[in-house]
Amino acid sequence: GAVVSQHPSWVICKSGTSVKIECRSLDFQATTMFWYRQFPKQSLMLMATSNEGSKATYEQGVEKDKFLINHASLTLSTLTVTSAHPEDSSFYICSAREVLAGDYNEQFFGPGTRLTVL
Amino acid sequence: GQNIDQPTEMTATEGAIVQINCTYQTSGFNGLFWYQQHAGEAPTFLSYNVLDGLEEKGRFSSFLSRSKGYSYLLLKELQMKDSASYLCADQAGTALIFGKGTTLSVSS
Repeated sequence: GAVVSQHPSWVICKSGTSVKIECRSLDFQATTMFWYRQFPKQSLMLMATSNEGSKATYEQGVEKDKFLINHASLTLSTLTVTSAHPEDSSFYICSAREVLAGDYNEQFFGPGTRLTVL
Repeated sequence: GQNIDQPTEMTATEGAIVQINCTYQTSGFNGLFWYQQHAGEAPTFLSYNVLDGLEEKGRFSSFLSRSKGYSYLLLKELQMKDSASYLCADQAGTALIFGKGTTLSVSS
């Protein structure tokens, strides 16, 4: 199957700093990528839908100025957590939808990035 | 909007069969997905149903009834490695909306 990578796999940062997470589709083009957040023992919560060449669509309750998303190419989307605070500590997972998927929306998930804010 | 409900936890023994149910209420249905997630890892795709009926894939099968807003994942010949969270997800537009997941514990 298609492969999606994320970098870094884990990061520890100080409160108030910004952290950038990269999501790459390695062997296919993805016009649409999705960013999810998962707190311990909870399910994945969709944060935003990232479309190549256009602004991301954020879910209700997700601050677009705090979680900056850039989908600069068909294989790369980045999520920047600005001015991170301890409550932003979570498991961030991206997924990508292949261009030729048609109506069948199989998404391929990255391995996730564990963010810990001290 | 979406409202997806599944049991929080289930337990079973090796070799047994377990059925994980999922009910959903959506404003626009485009298919029902099941994913498996081990702790600290990303979800992996198990199955997809868009039409009513049973889809069988090895030890795993998934069933869908659109009129009832109901799906289940059936796991046969359980193995210890099947201990994981199982996530039911509905496709809303192009995004997947996940239920809270069912944590399955398989014991010997």
